[in-house]
Amino acid sequence: EIVLTQSPATLSLSPGDRATLSCRASQSLSTYLAWYQQKPGQAPRLLIYDASNRATGIPARFSGSGSGTDFTLTISSLEPEDFAVYYCQQRSDWFSFGGGTKVEIK
Amino acid sequence: QEQLQASGPGLVKPSETLSLTCTVSGGSISSHYWSWIRQPPGKGLEWIGYIYYSGSTNYNPSLKSRVTISLDRSKNQFSLKLSSVTAADTAVYYCARKGTWFDTWGQGTLVIVSS
Repeated sequence: EIVLTQSPATLSLSPGDRATLSCRASQSLSTYLAWYQQKPGQAPRLLIYDASNRATGIPARFSGSGSGTDFTLTISSLEPEDFAVYYCQQRSDWFSFGGGTKVEIK
Repeated sequence: QEQLQASGPGLVKPSETLSLTCTVSGGSISSHYWSWIRQPPGKGLEWIGYIYYSGSTNYNPSLKSRVTISLDRSKNQFSLKLSSVTAADTAVYYCARKGTWFDTWGQGTLVIVSS
């Protein structure tokens, strides 16, 4: 079973700040990693797939990078609607999700 | 763009079988993979399993002995059955379309396991 570890658990930032979220895998994923955003009471939404490709309709301020075991989601300048929980997910060996990073308003 | 809507009982007794249905609108179920994912209150996401439009299935090994996912093409629906439930199965259950990734999700339905 592939375990995904996200850090930090909580990120306290202000609108306009840059957010850097990390996802580390217990074994190599190549680029079989996606990122999702979840707001309270809503379903997750696909942001990034194959480690670095933005899903349809996702703003350019969201970017993903990494390969192998270390991945990063960057939000270049936080908008008010970006404060949410972010999950990484792998599809290299079945499917599993990380524990999430909450981006909260400082 | 397809829309997914999960429905089913919100309360299930321990040891009984949880049954949910996902209705797909705005597109045909006769393509793509269709999946169930759950999220216990305040916790992370867990993939349960998926069914291909052909009827072939794959399940999370940790749940495989208790899970059945099926398809009803005539109603454009797919369903989840989870047997022998316990309080640990209390969660919001999401249905989702899986292309390469889970790209379209339903709104989720809360199922509480309690006597």
